[in-house]
Amino acid sequence: GQQVMQIPQYQHVQEGEDFTTYCNSSTTLSNIQWYKQRPGGHPVFLIQLVKSGEVKKQKRLTFQFGEAKKNSSLHITATQTTDVGTYFCAGRGGATNKLIFGTGTLLAVQP
Amino acid sequence: NAGVTQTPKFQVLKTGQSMTLQCAQDMNHNSMYWYRQDPGMGLRLIYYSASEGTTDKGEVPNGYNVSRLNKREFSLRLESAAPSQTSVYFCASSSGTGSSYEQYFGPGTRLTVT
Repeated sequence: GQQVMQIPQYQHVQEGEDFTTYCNSSTTLSNIQWYKQRPGGHPVFLIQLVKSGEVKKQKRLTFQFGEAKKNSSLHITATQTTDVGTYFCAGRGGATNKLIFGTGTLLAVQP
Repeated sequence: NAGVTQTPKFQVLKTGQSMTLQCAQDMNHNSMYWYRQDPGMGLRLIYYSASEGTTDKGEVPNGYNVSRLNKREFSLRLESAAPSQTSVYFCASSSGTGSSYEQYFGPGTRLTVT
C-alpha cells in the first residue's frame, strides 16, 4: 500500500540554525498537507500544496512540492524555540485516495 | 467554538476490558476520523466517517468498532482491550473527504492497557 516516509526522524539544532525535513511517497500524490504537533499536543494544520513544483512560504517556513508530486520538503530559516515539535506531512493519493500521514520529524531547538 | 473535543483525556484499562472513546465537533463538519499515534509510526487511520450514517475502515481497524451517532459525534469502541492498543488516540474532523480539506484534531486520549 501507499507509504509516506519522512527524514530525519529527529533533528537537534541550535537556535538560529536552519532546519529541513523531507517527505517521500511511494506513489504520486494529489496533494500534500503539513501539520505541526507541539510536545504533548495535537496536530495542527499548517499548509496544503497541490500543484507540481509549488512553493509556499509562511514567514520563516518554506514548503515545496516536488515536480513529480512524490516528495515534499519543509524548511525553517533561523529556528526559534517556538518551532519545537513534530512536523508531519500527509499525502493523499493511490488507489484509496485516503490521507496518509508520514512518520514525522521531531525538531528540538536549543536556546 | 470548542472545535473537536475528546473524552476521556487519560484511561488505564486491564487486558480484556472494554471502553468507548467519545468525540464531538461543533464545526458542522461532514467527515470525522479516528487515528492512533505510536512512537515512530506517525498517525495511522483506524476508521473514518465520510458523512453522517457512513463509516469505513482505515489502515488499522482490527480490534475497534465505531459509531457515527449523529453529525457531531463519532465514538470509538474497544471491545476487548489488548496491550498492543496502548497508544494516543486522536479524533479529527474535516468539511469533507476530498483532497482540499484540512483536518482539525482533538486533544487526544492517552490509553494504557496493562
